[in-house]
Amino acid sequence: DAGITQSPRHKVTETGTPVTLRCHQTENHRYMYWYRQDPGHGLRLIHYSYGVKDTDKGEVSDGYSVSRSKTEDFLLTLESATSSQTSVYFCAIREGQGYEQYFGPGTRLTVT
Amino acid sequence: ELKVEQNPLFLSMQEGKNYTIYCNYSTTSDRLYWYRQDPGKSLESLFVLLSNGAVKQEGRLMASLDTKARLSTLHITAAVHDLSATYFCAVTTDSWGKLQFGAGTQVVVTP
Repeated sequence: DAGITQSPRHKVTETGTPVTLRCHQTENHRYMYWYRQDPGHGLRLIHYSYGVKDTDKGEVSDGYSVSRSKTEDFLLTLESATSSQTSVYFCAIREGQGYEQYFGPGTRLTVT
Repeated sequence: ELKVEQNPLFLSMQEGKNYTIYCNYSTTSDRLYWYRQDPGKSLESLFVLLSNGAVKQEGRLMASLDTKARLSTLHITAAVHDLSATYFCAVTTDSWGKLQFGAGTQVVVTP
């Protein structure tokens, strides 16, 4: 499982509240990614990181911010949650010469 | 803008028969991925195809890549129930490894 954990695994929150999701990895991978999965869309990249304090936006970054102060942790923050951010969020790491990406178990977020 | 299209989006398979899932992408890429996802679960890496003509096989699954046609295929041989899942292809076009996913193919294998 490439040593990836996500927390929380499930969360229900109200519109307008801030939410932070955590991705933790134990194998010192440099590249980390946040994706969201919605029916009919596959997975879409939100933000990614290529090192401590080095992050950049993905395809659907509006309403999200990230931080990476340690190699092992990549945090995704919804500044003010909206119902459109109800989704399953997956963290991924990249390893190997083939740049394989391995995914964490996911966080199911519901915004009411 | 990179676009990735899979077809079909739904595939009902009979056990014992052969089927193919297609993945087309719109711009040059040298790295294509196939993943499997069971309901309520995470994505499991199946194959990474790195060059034109690459072919990889694992059990009843075989994936190939034609970079000139911008096409990858996932071939399923003699389908069995355990292969029921959603299969995604994904493509990256840069060194950052940002993946662009297809919408997924839901596979249901019945006796």
